Amino acid sequence: RKEVEQDPGPFNVPEGATVAFNCTYSNSASQSFFWYRQDCRKEPKLLMSVYSSGNEDGRFTAQLNRASQYISLLIRDSKLSDSATYLCVVHTGGFKTIFGAGTRLFVKA
Amino acid sequence: GAVVSQHPSRVICKSGTSVKIECRSLDFQATTMFWYRQFPKQSLMLMATSNEGSKATYEQGVEKDKFLINHASLTLSTLTVTSAHPEDSSFYICSARNAFSSTEAFFGQGTRLTVV
Repeated sequence: RKEVEQDPGPFNVPEGATVAFNCTYSNSASQSFFWYRQDCRKEPKLLMSVYSSGNEDGRFTAQLNRASQYISLLIRDSKLSDSATYLCVVHTGGFKTIFGAGTRLFVKA
Repeated sequence: GAVVSQHPSRVICKSGTSVKIECRSLDFQATTMFWYRQFPKQSLMLMATSNEGSKATYEQGVEKDKFLINHASLTLSTLTVTSAHPEDSSFYICSARNAFSSTEAFFGQGTRLTVV
């Protein structure tokens, strides 16, 4: 079993749609959780941290369920510029960072 | 915010030669840096964890004699791909975390290696 698993995608959605990505992690001792965005041939960039209380940044909402070892990202009112690969990232002990395989999102006009 | 600089951004080399990639944390100390490889349309795969002043820790299936990692200072880690082959052509990215103040990982710009 992979340490971090994500929806395989790709997701093809029209502009304005709401889309949700899911992620599960296997190490119950994992400490920190993030969503990163990666554009083609570029390095990943931090999108947002994920907390148990849930956090929102504009059109983006992230949620963590430690009991289920589950992380989610919700994007509302999708824009063309949201097209990218979204990576679920987990920091385990010892400063080790594990990436999910990523989910590709294509937003179409 | 914190910056990690990776160099070169793009390199083409002949099969059998070695290539060195540098990863520098510009404004923070990174006792640990990470090296990833990404093949087209695939996810980032952790290759090794680079520890300052000690030997790197390699992930299963990564040849330590082929991918030499040196982390001689708190701000610099290098990855050397030795005797490169076309199948080593990939996108290599380093990342670092500020050991003292942040859990966020900062990434270098990546190096696209093409072995011909």
